[in-house]
Amino acid sequence: DAKTTQPTSMDCAEGRAANLPCNHSTISGNEYVYWYRQIHSQGPQYIIHGLKNNETNEMASLIITEDRKSSTLILPHATLRDTAVYYCIYSGGSNYKLTFGKGTLLTVNP
Amino acid sequence: GAVVSQHPSWVICKSGTSVKIECRSLDFQATTMFWYRQFPKQSLMLMATSNEGSKATYEQGVEKDKFLINHASLTLSTLTVTSAHPEDSSFYICSRGGSYNSPLHFGNGTRLTVT
Repeated sequence: DAKTTQPTSMDCAEGRAANLPCNHSTISGNEYVYWYRQIHSQGPQYIIHGLKNNETNEMASLIITEDRKSSTLILPHATLRDTAVYYCIYSGGSNYKLTFGKGTLLTVNP
Repeated sequence: GAVVSQHPSWVICKSGTSVKIECRSLDFQATTMFWYRQFPKQSLMLMATSNEGSKATYEQGVEKDKFLINHASLTLSTLTVTSAHPEDSSFYICSRGGSYNSPLHFGNGTRLTVT
């Protein structure tokens, strides 16, 4: 099973950047890093993914280290609605199963 | 908008009855779909991989005769919980695959309560 390591929980002030780290030291060269989040009682929401280059979309930025063994998800201006469990996962592609770890509970405080 | 539709969003059934959950891919013909289960305060656990036109692949410890999966078309996969018991009460979530590096998209889940 693909294993990642994330902090159990983090806090962030509303309006500030939230930086969520993830270690994925056993990632293979053709595996992508995916980030999802789950708000209580909803299905996981896709945020962003990348292979080796940094990526940015309307939701977040993804910074992947050069050795690809870790990454950081950045929410540039966290809002209260960003409070959720964030999952970092790596996989060989979307037709490959995703194995979810425990994720990081991000709490955005007013 | 949503690209995976899951129905129903919640269901209550009596012990011993069967419940069917539908998962539809709205924007993509998905040859592969996945079913997950999530117990309170726990992470998602993959139950099975649903393959269009062939048998599903079940994860270790998941009873294939209890959790029947049918993927008869490229846009619909169904999960039937047969002879449900209270311990089957959980949050069931489906997702659909896509092209090689595209992300999985998930349905909004089905809350099953067996009384």
